[in-house]
Amino acid sequence: AQTVTQSQPEMSVQEAETVTLSCTYDTSENNYYLFWYKQPPSRQMILVIRQEAYKQQNATENRFSVNFQKAAKSFSLKISDSQLGDTAMYFCAFMKHGTGNQFYFGTGTSLTVIP
Amino acid sequence: GAVVSQHPSWVICKSGTSVKIECRSLDFQATTMFWYRQFPKQSLMLMATSNEGSKATYEQGVEKDKFLINHASLTLSTLTVTSAHPEDSSFYICSASGDPSGYEQYFGPGTRLTVT
Repeated sequence: AQTVTQSQPEMSVQEAETVTLSCTYDTSENNYYLFWYKQPPSRQMILVIRQEAYKQQNATENRFSVNFQKAAKSFSLKISDSQLGDTAMYFCAFMKHGTGNQFYFGTGTSLTVIP
Repeated sequence: GAVVSQHPSWVICKSGTSVKIECRSLDFQATTMFWYRQFPKQSLMLMATSNEGSKATYEQGVEKDKFLINHASLTLSTLTVTSAHPEDSSFYICSASGDPSGYEQYFGPGTRLTVT
């Protein structure tokens, strides 16, 4: 079974600063995908960034980037130049490549951006 | 991007009654839809996976007779909570994928169910 662990239940960051959210996972699979989703107070799940495990290069999306360490099974999210709109719950998620296609979500990190 | 809607967004029902929640893919054909449940301040828990035209696959511990899932078309899946009880009160979220790999998945806005 796949497990996803987010060890930081709550975090805060000053506006315009940088923050890193941690995520580790446990799997025996070699081909998989990793995702970070944002859930603001509206509860709508929004894709932030994703990474294919076979790609060594870390994914980036504007102010969001990941540090993917496959051997360590670590997938952290860095948010640069934090904005008030980044305040949300952030979920790390794992998806096996191939059959099933279901997400395994971590427990989430509540991020607050302080003005 | 692709849009997934859910209806209703919020529903209150009396204990013992049944309630149906719809999940629609508005601008793509969803071969697979997923239903999640989320308790306050907790993560999303996968309840079941449904493929169009076939029976849903339920996760361990989810009562299939209580949570009826139908995926009758490529744009619509429904979740019916039968004989609802207060402990069924939760936030229900669907996601949909038209991509065989499931890599491209889109979430609905969720439905808040309150059972009184």
